[in-house]
Amino acid sequence: DTAVSQTPKYLVTQMGNDKSIKCEQNLGHDTMYWYKQDSKKFLKIMFSYNNKELIINETVPNRFSPKSPDKAHLNLHINSLELGDSAVYFCASSQWHEQYFGPGTRLTVT
Amino acid sequence: AQSVTQPDIHITVSEGASLELRCNYSYGATPYLFWYVQSPGQGLQLLLKYFSGDTLVQGIKGFEAEFKRSQSSFNLRKPSVHWSDAAEYFCAVHGSSNTGKLIFGQGTTLQVKP
Repeated sequence: DTAVSQTPKYLVTQMGNDKSIKCEQNLGHDTMYWYKQDSKKFLKIMFSYNNKELIINETVPNRFSPKSPDKAHLNLHINSLELGDSAVYFCASSQWHEQYFGPGTRLTVT
Repeated sequence: AQSVTQPDIHITVSEGASLELRCNYSYGATPYLFWYVQSPGQGLQLLLKYFSGDTLVQGIKGFEAEFKRSQSSFNLRKPSVHWSDAAEYFCAVHGSSNTGKLIFGQGTTLQVKP
């Protein structure tokens, strides 16, 4: 009964490919997020959706496109992958101010 | 702009010793403050949070933190560290807007010596 789950856990792909990461939460929360953790472990918000509506879109290349089919799911699609996209991507959800994080997806672009 | 600074990138303590991890924030109003822990290869787990009220907050795993408005600090403490506490610790601030965006510090890596 994992609260916030992500798939896949690891993703290795080549430059130029398109890939997706999926996130699901079973907490009944209205808000979901994507964060990126770089090689120095710095965490930065990328996107936030509230009830399927985009409310935060930080300065992220438009190769990244989040999609929320329903409020329990927030997927991240990345086009034309670049070496610099290699990172750990975390999904999170919240109802008020506490955010619950998924286990992360480690993306390696070769 | 909101920001969080964790001055110590890496801290090593002996098992059983006390621990204090520093966190300073920059925010105009009263912030919502958090400490998260990330064990190797894992996601982030919430240790504790401060929203209002008592400035000394208790968290899980024996951790506590004290909010000091005059110093813009929210330092994390534990009286006796266990080897299993070795991890990455992140302080975060959340503004009062409805976006819920968390702004994280750079993280502090805690190493525990036997």
